[in-house]
Amino acid sequence: GAVVSQHPSWVICKSGTSVKIECRSLDFQATTMFWYRQFPKQSLMLMATSNEGSKATYEQGVEKDKFLINHASLTLSTLTVTSAHPEDSSFYICSAHKTLTGELFFGEGSRLTVL
Amino acid sequence: LAKTTQPISMDSYEGQEVNITCSHNNIATNDYITWYQQFPSQGPRFIIQGYKTKVTNEVASLFIPADRKSSTLSLPRVSLSDTAVYYCLVGDIGWNNNDMRFGAGTRLTVKP
Repeated sequence: GAVVSQHPSWVICKSGTSVKIECRSLDFQATTMFWYRQFPKQSLMLMATSNEGSKATYEQGVEKDKFLINHASLTLSTLTVTSAHPEDSSFYICSAHKTLTGELFFGEGSRLTVL
Repeated sequence: LAKTTQPISMDSYEGQEVNITCSHNNIATNDYITWYQQFPSQGPRFIIQGYKTKVTNEVASLFIPADRKSSTLSLPRVSLSDTAVYYCLVGDIGWNNNDMRFGAGTRLTVKP
């Protein structure tokens, strides 16, 4: 089946630094990808919708200047957490929409810990 | 936006059949119903998808009544490894961002 890969799967960084998370659709093209964050024992919270070749659409309350999303190709979207702080520590998950079939596939997630 | 409502948690024992119901009263004509399973520190995994009546695959069945305002995920003979959170999502195949909001999910605990 289709696979969506995230990298890195976990990252630890110092407060004030920026971290980039990649989301790749390995065997299909994805015009649209979605980014979520998930805190312990909570549901996934949609952060933004990433569209190839255009600006991302952010959910209300999500700072677009802090969470930079780039979808430069049909197989890659990146989320950059800028000037990370401890409260940004979370589990970040992406999903990719396989346009031809309508199926939605999720990545394995990336755990960010900001010290 | 088809909001979904599920029980917060359920307990079961190994070997039993588990049925998890999701309410989606304002489901639209073009919407499909999709169920995902999530283990801790992993991304959600597709279980099953349906539009109406009954769908069955190698791991689960999905029952959708005629009015489509609810759906029931049925897991036959659960094992300890089925302990996870289960989410139902409702949306059209285009998956516009309105459909991408997860509900609280149902935390299933399977006991020995």
